Amino acid sequence: QSALTQPASVSGSPGQSITISCTGTSSDVGGYNYVSWYQQHPGKAPKLMIYEVSNRPSGVSNRFSGSKSGNTASLTISGLQAEDEADYYCSSYTSSSHVVFGGGTKLTVL
Amino acid sequence: EVQLVQSGAEVKKPGATVKISCKVSGYTFTDYYMHWVQQAPGKGLEWMGLVDPEDGETIYAEKFQGRVTITADTSTDTAYMELSSLRSEDTAVYYCATVLVPAAQMNWFDPWGQGTLVTVSS
Repeated sequence: QSALTQPASVSGSPGQSITISCTGTSSDVGGYNYVSWYQQHPGKAPKLMIYEVSNRPSGVSNRFSGSKSGNTASLTISGLQAEDEADYYCSSYTSSSHVVFGGGTKLTVL
Repeated sequence: EVQLVQSGAEVKKPGATVKISCKVSGYTFTDYYMHWVQQAPGKGLEWMGLVDPEDGETIYAEKFQGRVTITADTSTDTAYMELSSLRSEDTAVYYCATVLVPAAQMNWFDPWGQGTLVTVSS
């Protein structure tokens, strides 16, 4: 099972919006609405930000939103803040009843 | 309060075996799968596999099949991940994680343990 494809890095200025893509196949991202997104700060455990493509857990800012089109899912962060600087990972359920993660994207807030 | 508390850091020699624990509290251990995720230094997250604590059934990722054993001890509400034939590439932080929604056992991970660093070095 190959990792989902994410851009290695994205950047944006405070107040701007950025989007991180996560591309898979019809056997994972495209086949199920079970895409989730995680934020990870250095030395910390990942934190769930979006589940089942577009749902936000309680306590996660509404500046974070998710969507999916075909085999590509996306995480959008609006109104960028310095605290959003972190690594972001997508994951998906797969047709082989496994889970696959993306390679991760480093977000830099300029 | 739901907690997943992992055992401490380990240093192992190549070829050895490591066993990491993840003790849960605040929920019924047998109701939800426990997953394990590897993160090598400076690298991404990699799903290793899971155990269903209710019956001990496991699923392993192909990359780790044959070297990983994930178990659950329902008497102590603790999950274990054992990795054998260690090599330098296994140096990583290992996380346990679950999802406390019955119909979503493979769909996302929340909460996570704090992570356990395993260093493989001669």
